[in-house]
Amino acid sequence: GDSVTQMEGPVTLSEEAFLTINCTYTATGYPSLFWYVQYPGEGLQLLLKATKADDKGSNKGFEATYRKETTSFHLEKGSVQVSDSAVYFCVLFWGYQKVTFGTGTKLQVIP
Amino acid sequence: ETGVTQTPRHLVMGMTNKKSLKCEQHLGHNAMYWYKQSAKKPLELMFVYNFKEQTENNSVPSRFSPECPNSSHLFLHLHTLQPEDSALYLCASSQDALRRGNGYTFGSGTRLTVV
Repeated sequence: GDSVTQMEGPVTLSEEAFLTINCTYTATGYPSLFWYVQYPGEGLQLLLKATKADDKGSNKGFEATYRKETTSFHLEKGSVQVSDSAVYFCVLFWGYQKVTFGTGTKLQVIP
Repeated sequence: ETGVTQTPRHLVMGMTNKKSLKCEQHLGHNAMYWYKQSAKKPLELMFVYNFKEQTENNSVPSRFSPECPNSSHLFLHLHTLQPEDSALYLCASSQDALRRGNGYTFGSGTRLTVV
C-alpha cells in the first residue's frame, strides 16, 4: 500500500550543524510531497512542498527535492538553530482524497 | 496566526461530561477535517467535511459527534469519553477535499485530558 517512512528520532544536533531528515515513500501515481513542522504545544505548519518530480521546495533555510527515481523527499538545512527544535512530518498527498502522514521526526538543537 | 482557530486550547473533562471543540477558518476553504494526535502514534483522521457534507468517518466511536453548520465552522461534540481519548485534537482545512494537492492549513489544536 501507499506509505511514508521517516527516519526514527529524536535527532539531536548542535547549533549550526547540518540537518538531514530522511523521507521515502511508496505511492501509485504522482503524489505531491510536503514537509510540515510542529513546534511544542502547537498544530502543524506547512514548511515546504513539491508537486512534481525534480521540484525543490524551500522555506526558512530548509530545502527538499522531489526525487522520483529514489522515491525520496529528504529535508535539509545547512545550519540549524535552537528555534528549529520541533517535530517534522513528511506528508504525501496523492490520488483521490488520499493523504498519508509520516510518523514524525523530533529534532532537538542544543546551543 | 495560522488562519484556522481552535478553541479551547486546553480542556479537562470528566468521563460523564459533555463538551464541544470549536474550529473556525476564514481562508475561503471548502473542506474541514478533524484529526487526533496521540503520543507515539501517527496522526489519525477522524472526520472530513466537504461543502458542509460529511464525506469520511474513519470508524470513530459515537461518543465523538461532529457538526459542520457552514464551510467556515466545525465542531466536535464530546460525551462519555474515556481516558484513552486524551490527545491533541487538530482541525485542518483545505480548498477542496476532493483534490488536496495544496495541502492543509492546521489549527493549533485542543489539548484534551479526560479524567
